[in-house]
Amino acid sequence: DQQVKQNSPSLSVQEGRISILNCDYTNSMFDYFLWYKKYPAEGPTFLISISSIKDKNEDGRFTVFLNKSAKHLSLHIVPSQPGDSAVYFCAAKESGSARQLTFGSGTQLTVLP
Amino acid sequence: EPEVTQTPSHQVTQMGQEVILRCVPISNHLYFYWYRQILGQKVEFLVSFYNNEISEKSEIFDDQFSVERPDGSNFTLKIRSTKLEDSAMYFCASSLDGKLFFGSGTQLSVL
Repeated sequence: DQQVKQNSPSLSVQEGRISILNCDYTNSMFDYFLWYKKYPAEGPTFLISISSIKDKNEDGRFTVFLNKSAKHLSLHIVPSQPGDSAVYFCAAKESGSARQLTFGSGTQLTVLP
Repeated sequence: EPEVTQTPSHQVTQMGQEVILRCVPISNHLYFYWYRQILGQKVEFLVSFYNNEISEKSEIFDDQFSVERPDGSNFTLKIRSTKLEDSAMYFCASSLDGKLFFGSGTQLSVL
């Protein structure tokens, strides 16, 4: 039951270019979406979030776009830096679900110098 | 910056033994969680805890699992009789407003 899907297990990007990570969801009750970054041997670190009342949220080099009709969100990182190399997880939740998150399977981003 | 801390970082145990994984959530957070990640798989929800009781649990969280908040700071996950398939990285998380903050995890290896 994959309610949150990240179809690209890996992505390689040149330093300075844009990284675009994609995420699709199937549960129409999800109304809050988050992106987490994870380095090896560390826990996921919160990056950026968006609620369903918005279609874009920006924080520095990170922008999340939400297309509710397509049940699709994406994370844009620009410019990409080598330190951005990590696994990126998309996560989603329903407001009334005691705040548990459903995670995608992750995308390994490699930023090449 | 406040953080979620987990101990131990690594735990090796024999099949059938009991293990307790410990977590200290961020002090003003109200919601507490355990997640796990089996090697090569996605991060999976186990259980959420609010107001001193379990609020949600997944099908993974069977009778072998229990959680406790024994005092005002610690949040523990107990596995009564470990199985080989319990080997995973276990993450504790806490939240105040929907954004979860994760600890660095406990790598559990069941032999």
